[in-house]
Amino acid sequence: GAGVSQSPRYKVAKRGQDVALRCDPISGHVSLFWYQQALGQGPEFLTYFQNEAQLDKSGLPSDRFFAERPEGSVSTLKIQRTQQEDSAVYLCASSGQGREIYEQYFGPGTRLTVT
Amino acid sequence: TQLLEQSPQFLSIQEGENLTVYCNSSSVFSSLQWYRQEPGEGPVLLVTVVTGGEVKKLKRLTFQFGDARKDSSLHITAAQPGDTGLYLCAGVSSVWSGAGSYQLTFGKGTKLSVIP
Repeated sequence: GAGVSQSPRYKVAKRGQDVALRCDPISGHVSLFWYQQALGQGPEFLTYFQNEAQLDKSGLPSDRFFAERPEGSVSTLKIQRTQQEDSAVYLCASSGQGREIYEQYFGPGTRLTVT
Repeated sequence: TQLLEQSPQFLSIQEGENLTVYCNSSSVFSSLQWYRQEPGEGPVLLVTVVTGGEVKKLKRLTFQFGDARKDSSLHITAAQPGDTGLYLCAGVSSVWSGAGSYQLTFGKGTKLSVIP
């Protein structure tokens, strides 16, 4: 398939554990976004990459959240010392550049449950 | 902070009925998008409206962007069970602020159930 893939699809973590969520964007897509979607809410922006450069991380809720995209393709969102309020679906989206940046293709998300 | 309010929050209708859902803001957006999200999946882009007053049709779905580019509506004619899902609107900021301008601001969505 040529879509955005995310892994794992489900993750259960005990409070205080570190987690790493992976995103494989559509091949050739320059732009990559991470969103957090709490239950019953719309997605909320976390961070944005253009190739390997993290150009906007204004949505990351705390310094426990860290994202990287070292080779401009696969991205990882890491959450350290997870808290219950981190429980949510984490969505990754990729898009082209120029006007195409707003045509974002979303992956299925990773549902994180912190117990 | 630009906020998008969607209404109604929940909507349950019989197959064959018509419906309209709304997306409103006090802020101006350069464009608005509509997505549909099914359980366990990511949102899928349906349409982007750019010009104030613009109307776009996608089969039985009609999307309208308000003249002032602050609101939008989605009208579905003769709803079918396959239309069931969460409908999200998302706005693109009209103010250029560098890389932050690429953020999409999402509403909370309208959860639509179409009963056969």
